[in-house]
Amino acid sequence: NAGVMQNPRHLVRRRGQEARLRCSPMKGHSHVYWYRQLPEEGLKFMVYLQKENIIDESGMPKERFSAEFPKEGPSILRIQQVVRGDSAAYFCASSPPEVHYGYTFGSGTRLTVV
Amino acid sequence: DQQVKQNSPSLSVQEGRISILNCDYTNSMFDYFLWYKKYPAEGPTFLISISSIKDKNEDGRFTVFLNKSAKHLSLHIVPSQPGDSAVYFCAAVDTGRRALTFGSGTRLQVQP
Repeated sequence: NAGVMQNPRHLVRRRGQEARLRCSPMKGHSHVYWYRQLPEEGLKFMVYLQKENIIDESGMPKERFSAEFPKEGPSILRIQQVVRGDSAAYFCASSPPEVHYGYTFGSGTRLTVV
Repeated sequence: DQQVKQNSPSLSVQEGRISILNCDYTNSMFDYFLWYKKYPAEGPTFLISISSIKDKNEDGRFTVFLNKSAKHLSLHIVPSQPGDSAVYFCAAVDTGRRALTFGSGTRLQVQP
């Protein structure tokens, strides 16, 4: 049973480009969460999705960031017109439908904006 | 406004001794608490959790203590092993939501 798969592991983008980060949850998990970790800080919640639904996006920046979890395929975190401050590690986690807080995290995507 | 605080950025202990990692929170709506362990270039790994209706939860070498009145929790690792060297994050959740609020982490170094 594969864990949470994130790709790419490393992503370099120039300022103004778009970044697309992908997350495939564990088998049987229908809930996906995105977190961002800035250097020397803890993880900050961004968004919580179920299939085809955004449940909680209270941690998402108001502009340039969007997330989706389609019926088929991975969850996508999309950052438009990236800026240097978007450089961070982005982690995805998944959980089964029943309430359980020990989420399984992926290995993350390290985004570097140059 | 940091709702979950880990005031010690680092901790060094000798192999075989006890490691105690501390965490404080301010939001009284938090009713479930977790500890995660993180190695470099990997995602956090869930270690142990505790509900606010309990004051202690034990799993092998790991024990989490919760003091609700002080809004404080701690993770005890006994005995500490070199493989425990990692960054430990405390996290809290208001079970009305699913978003975890993390502390900034404590880097534990266990010396052989």
